[in-house]
Amino acid sequence: DSGVTQTPKHLITATGQRVTLRCSPRSGDLSVYWYQQSLDQGLQFLIQYYNGEERAKGNILERFSAQQFPDLHSELNLSSLELGDSALYFCASSAGQTIYNEQFFGPGTRLTVL
Amino acid sequence: EDQVTQSPEALRLQEGESSSLNCSYTVSGLRGLFWYRQDPGKGPEFLFTLYSAGEEKEKERLKATLTKKESFLHITAPKPEDSATYLCAVFSYQFYFGTGTSLTVIP
Repeated sequence: DSGVTQTPKHLITATGQRVTLRCSPRSGDLSVYWYQQSLDQGLQFLIQYYNGEERAKGNILERFSAQQFPDLHSELNLSSLELGDSALYFCASSAGQTIYNEQFFGPGTRLTVL
Repeated sequence: EDQVTQSPEALRLQEGESSSLNCSYTVSGLRGLFWYRQDPGKGPEFLFTLYSAGEEKEKERLKATLTKKESFLHITAPKPEDSATYLCAVFSYQFYFGTGTSLTVIP
């Protein structure tokens, strides 16, 4: 158990809908990262937040947005969902602000778009 | 084009049979190379970060090395519990992940 929690574990929704994935980092970690893992594209880095501020941005679509709240939990919002958005979404956390720090991954949220 | 290629895609080893996994990359301005282990249905587990050519890091039966164009993950005397997918990623101004090597260690 990494100490990172993600909810929900599974999410099934329809195309065009909007969903919110939630992540609570390990106690004391200030950075939160979001990743998408799909069968055809593998693991992709989406975005990093450090202490509430966006720190690094990867291959995040404009339909996706994220934020980190004062209590350090983070939410990833996915809108206008398409079939291709079906994937495992992982959250990770680390103590520091640099991306090179050891990251601890959560168990993931499996999103299925029908 | 910046990319990361891992080989082999799959590897089957007998318990105790040492081997190496390869991660080759073509990115400019490498700032770090990462190795992760991922068990089925679980999130990746961080193993190592390497920053410059010539650097080596070890953890139990695993040793990671880095050159200017590739990294190797050496597994010495593997055990069945080492079975997993091993992912490599490089960070320059973007994160680039390989597709992984699926390792199976047979008792």
